[in-house]
Amino acid sequence: DADVTQTPRNRITKTGKRIMLECSQTKGHDRMYWYRQDPGLGLRLIYYSFDVKDINKGEISDGYSVSRQAQAKFSLSLESAIPNQTALYFCATSDGTGRTDTQYFGPGTRLTVL
Amino acid sequence: GDSVTQMEGPVTLSEEAFLTINCTYTATGYPSLFWYVQYPGEGLQLLLKATKADDKGSNKGFEATYRKETTSFHLEKGSVQVSDSAVYFCALSDNDSGYSTLTFGKGTMLLVSP
Repeated sequence: DADVTQTPRNRITKTGKRIMLECSQTKGHDRMYWYRQDPGLGLRLIYYSFDVKDINKGEISDGYSVSRQAQAKFSLSLESAIPNQTALYFCATSDGTGRTDTQYFGPGTRLTVL
Repeated sequence: GDSVTQMEGPVTLSEEAFLTINCTYTATGYPSLFWYVQYPGEGLQLLLKATKADDKGSNKGFEATYRKETTSFHLEKGSVQVSDSAVYFCALSDNDSGYSTLTFGKGTMLLVSP
């Protein structure tokens, strides 16, 4: 079984709808992250959480919110989706081991907002 | 702020050719450096890393040396295979605060033909 899972894998929705993307991990890591990937722009950090009670905004948090329900679960919500939020979204985890900290990525969710 | 600059792609090579993907960085602290790879339809996975100056990271025939004097971390492979076709991301983690996140470059697509 995959260590970092994301649901759904693909989603098509309409402008103005509320959308939740879910991420679960079995790696036992405290740190979790949400990124979006756009062609030519690389990965940009949306939100991150260093433990269950810690939530931090990333580079592009406007229009998004998150919930850290448990160590293993970190959800990303789009309260009112708009077309420029069409992108590939990745969840990642890490164990925070200082300079060698490695992030482990889920398979991604492809979101299309019409 | 921190930033990573990669050469633009796509890089198109024939099998067994030599590969170089350039990466330079700007950081306020003393970062750790990473190369991640994204195969088609998958999430990112760590390829190699280096945490201090002159360290060489290596994996699967790929190598990169942390050059502090030129703020570079170029990725090289002596003989590429078709299976190396993917998108490669250079990234840094500025560790001074202990609460670091990754800053990614925009990615370089590599296409290897038989």
